[in-house]
Formats: sequence, structure tokens, C-alpha cells
Amino acid sequence: RKEVEQDPGPFNVPEGATVAFNCTYSNSASQSFFWYRQDCRKEPKLLMSVYSSGNEDGRFTAQLNRASQYISLLIRDSKLSDSATYLCAVRAGGRRALTFGSGTRLQVQP
Amino acid sequence: EAQVTQNPRYLITVTGKKLTVTCSQNMNHEYMSWYRQDPGLGLRQIYYSMNVEVTDKGDVPEGYKVSRKEKRNFPLILESPSPNQTSLYFCASSLSVGVAEGYNEQFFGPGTRLTVL
Repeated sequence: RKEVEQDPGPFNVPEGATVAFNCTYSNSASQSFFWYRQDCRKEPKLLMSVYSSGNEDGRFTAQLNRASQYISLLIRDSKLSDSATYLCAVRAGGRRALTFGSGTRLQVQP
Repeated sequence: EAQVTQNPRYLITVTGKKLTVTCSQNMNHEYMSWYRQDPGLGLRQIYYSMNVEVTDKGDVPEGYKVSRKEKRNFPLILESPSPNQTSLYFCASSLSVGVAEGYNEQFFGPGTRLTVL
């Protein structure tokens, strides 16, 4: 089983839709969680950290469910510019490295 | 401008010909890392460095070497490249690896697309 797993998609949604992605992790000692956005052939860029209590940044909401070992990303009112691949990243306690999922591709259509 | 730079951006080479991909950051970050990204496999860490002269293996270190002689530079060396090292490579840096917020955000370079024939 992969340490961090994501549904590769693609998720094809119309503009204005609400879409949610999940990311599961296997190491229960994981401490830090992030969502990155990667545009085609570009470098990943941090979208948001995921806090234990959940957090929101504009149209984006991130949540952590430690009991079930997953994090989620909710995008409301999808824009064409939201089309990208969304990578989750997890850092396990005692480890230095971030482990990335393979990404979920989102395509927002007009 | 705060950034991570990589060179070259694109490289086509042949099996066995040694090459180096450079990585430099101007943010005085302690932590630097190399990843490769392959379809369906996502980002996999090759090597990382906690600080000058401190390096360690990531998940897929075979066939690669690194060095950290200066804080800002972290070159990736392929002594004898093989076709299975054809990939998209990213260098990344972060302030540190503490648990405190803001320490873990990794800033990525623009990527190096390597093809080994």
C-alpha cells in the first residue's frame, strides 16, 4: 500500500461546481499535512497547509480526519483557472521528508 | 526575488555520460531536496540535505549522488545515467523541517526534464 494515496481523476466539473478530493495516508504518526497545486509541466506550489481544526482560504477548505487518516480539499464555485493537478503531502513524525501523493487532476469546463 | 533555480531546464543525453543538474536557492533555507516525478508515481524523493555537509537518502537514491558544500547550492549528480532515469526532476527548499507553521512549506524549482537515450 502506498504511504499517501489519491484518486488520480480526472475530475471533470462545470464552472461554479463544488468539488472535493480526498487523500489517505497510512502512517498514523503523520504530523504535517499540505495541499499543493501543480499546473501542467510546472513546479508544485503550496496551496494551503491543513490544520487539525480544519481551515479555509477563500473558496478552498481543507480538513483533517485523523481517525480515518485522510485529508480533504473542497473547492467551491470552481473557476476555469482551478484546472490543475492537486497533490497532497504528508510529513510523518520523526521523519524529515514530505511524502507526496501522485495527484488528482481537476478539469473545470465552461 | 526569492526563488529556487535549476539548470539546465531540458537535457537530452546518452547512457553513461556523467551529468550534473544544479540547484540554487536565495532564501537562506536549511533544507533542500531533490525529487523525480513520473506519471502515475507522483513525486518521489531522491536525496535531501538538512544543512551544509549533511545529506541523506530519500526513497529512490540509487544511481544519484548529491553534495551540499554551500548552503544555497545542492547539485544532483548522475555518474552513469541510464534510460530509467528519464524523468522530470525538481529541486525544493524549505526554511527547516520543524513542526511550527511555515517551516515546512517547500519551494520548488521550475524543473529539469531529462531524457537519457
